[in-house]
Amino acid sequence: AQSVSQHNHHVILSEAASLELGCNYSYGGTVNLFWYVQYPGQHLQLLLKYFSGDPLVKGIKGFEAEFIKSKFSFNLRKPSVQWSDTAEYFCAVNAGSNYQLIWGAGTKLIIKP
Amino acid sequence: DAGVIQSPRHEVTEMGQEVTLRCKPISGHNSLFWYRQTMMRGLELLIYFNNNVPIDDSGMPEDRFSAKMPNASFSTLKIQPSEPRDSAVYFCASRGGTSGTYEQYFGPGTRLTVT
Repeated sequence: AQSVSQHNHHVILSEAASLELGCNYSYGGTVNLFWYVQYPGQHLQLLLKYFSGDPLVKGIKGFEAEFIKSKFSFNLRKPSVQWSDTAEYFCAVNAGSNYQLIWGAGTKLIIKP
Repeated sequence: DAGVIQSPRHEVTEMGQEVTLRCKPISGHNSLFWYRQTMMRGLELLIYFNNNVPIDDSGMPEDRFSAKMPNASFSTLKIQPSEPRDSAVYFCASRGGTSGTYEQYFGPGTRLTVT
């Protein structure tokens, strides 16, 4: 069965630290990959997506993610985090022609001011 | 575009009562998804519709839950009778059929509390 794994459930960083959140998926075919962010008390919002082309994808608020097909990974990065980045981050994968997104369990990120 | 609209935003009800959650997807979107989010179980897909037809309802917890999509601009999720363990945030999301990139757009959610 297709699955998405997010390695860290909780991450605590200080402001200005660099961030990398891991995401691995299990599917051997063509995939669309997504990172969503959920700020406290809010709904999920699309942060960035990979559909095709350049495997390094840039999203909103200075986030980027790199699709490494050989590693089945789509890690999220930000060179310098801010307190306002405190949120939960979800990785999701669409595999094949299925309408669904397969979701990771989420990573709660806390940025200490 | 107003985005996905959900109502009510908050619902507090007593155990045994019927609860109806409503969703209006983004105009032109042809797929609609109902999710439930709790601290214990995270984000769970309950059901999704394509062109108003339920495609996969395997995530619906039990017969107390039902969902309908009578037309392209409206969907309901009903819980009857409600139980305290149904307390959660329920999100509706929609997806555009012609976008080709499968991203889903979420509504603000309905926070349900069953006492």
